[in-house]
Amino acid sequence: DTAVSQTPKYLVTQMGNDKSIKCEQNLGHDTMYWYKQDSKKFLKIMFSYNNKELIINETVPNRFSPKSPDKAHLNLHINSLELGDSAVYFCASSQKISGGETQYFGPGTRLLVL
Amino acid sequence: GDSVTQMEGPVTLSEEAFLTINCTYTATGYPSLFWYVQYPGEGLQLLLKATKADDKGSNKGFEATYRKETTSFHLEKGSVQVSDSAVYFCALVFQGAQKLVFGQGTRLTINP
Repeated sequence: DTAVSQTPKYLVTQMGNDKSIKCEQNLGHDTMYWYKQDSKKFLKIMFSYNNKELIINETVPNRFSPKSPDKAHLNLHINSLELGDSAVYFCASSQKISGGETQYFGPGTRLLVL
Repeated sequence: GDSVTQMEGPVTLSEEAFLTINCTYTATGYPSLFWYVQYPGEGLQLLLKATKADDKGSNKGFEATYRKETTSFHLEKGSVQVSDSAVYFCALVFQGAQKLVFGQGTRLTINP
């Protein structure tokens, strides 16, 4: 009964390829997020969606394109992968769009670009 | 801009030692404050939170008090266990901002 799930867990690919990461939450939450964690463990938000609508886009290269087909899903597509995209990508969700709400994180997708 | 500064790691302690991980923030206004924990190979889990000044968050023996006057939210535990070994993240978020702003994380290792 995983609350926030991501697939795949690991992704190894060549530079220049296009790849997607999927995220699903079964918590009935309205808001979903993508975060990137670099090799030094630093975490930074990339995107957030509320009710399928993009709310935050944090100066992420346009090679990254999120898509939310419904409230329970938020996918991340990455075009023309670069070495610097290697990181752990975390999906998260919260009940609503409000500062005090707890965000629930998925297990992460470890992306390695060769 | 808003930021969170955590104690530099790594921190290594013996079992049953007292733990403090310092966290201070810079923000205009009064954010909500969080501690998240990341166990090896896993995602982040909320450890505790406080949404207004003087609130104390607590969970699993960990505590942190929201101190407006010192803009701090230090994490404490009276007696740590080996199972507490993890990376701890302090974070803040503003009403209407949604995005969590994280500190750099503090790696904690507890030796038996």
